[in-house]
Amino acid sequence: NAGVTQTPKFQVLKTGQSMTLQCAQDMNHNSMYWYRQDPGMGLRLIYYSASEGTTDKGEVPNGYNVSRLNKREFSLRLESAAPSQTSVYFCASRTGVNEQYFGPGTRLTVT
Amino acid sequence: KQEVTQIPAALSVPEGENLVLNCSFTDSAIYNLQWFRQDPGKGLTSLLLIQSSQREQTSGRLNASLDKSSGRSTLYIAASQPGDSATYLCAVDAGNNRKLIWGLGTSLAVNP
Repeated sequence: NAGVTQTPKFQVLKTGQSMTLQCAQDMNHNSMYWYRQDPGMGLRLIYYSASEGTTDKGEVPNGYNVSRLNKREFSLRLESAAPSQTSVYFCASRTGVNEQYFGPGTRLTVT
Repeated sequence: KQEVTQIPAALSVPEGENLVLNCSFTDSAIYNLQWFRQDPGKGLTSLLLIQSSQREQTSGRLNASLDKSSGRSTLYIAASQPGDSATYLCAVDAGNNRKLIWGLGTSLAVNP
């Protein structure tokens, strides 16, 4: 039981490049989330998926897209990376009002 | 609009002390409140979840309480150890499509 896994762990992009962050959970959770964490700003929700087949915007969705590929997988895509997207990205999952579980994070630097 | 505040932002204590971390929220209509721990450069680990109908939860040396009417939760750490050094975050579930509202955390340093 691996919990929530994320790939890659680290990534450096040039401005304008694109990339996809992958997330998978093996806990059969319905809901999945993408957050970014920046110093002094706390955790901010980018997008979430309340159930397979649905996605919704969070607080800071601009510049990102998501895909809920199936119940296990939820990916985050940066179409044209900007320095303002330099951050640590966390994926999380949960079911109902139960505990939320987090992946180890992806550290992204955009130069 | 629900807002979550954690005070203090940072705390430094000697090993062995009992300590209390505070979390306050502005709207008492919550489903639950969750405490997390984050070590530097790592992800978040869930410590305790208190449902809205509960007053407290305990796990080992940790005890979390919830007072919905006053909009407050505390995380009590007994006999603190250097290994407890981390950032502690609280988050409330207000039932809005299962999104959590987060505090900024308290950075705890326990000195040997």
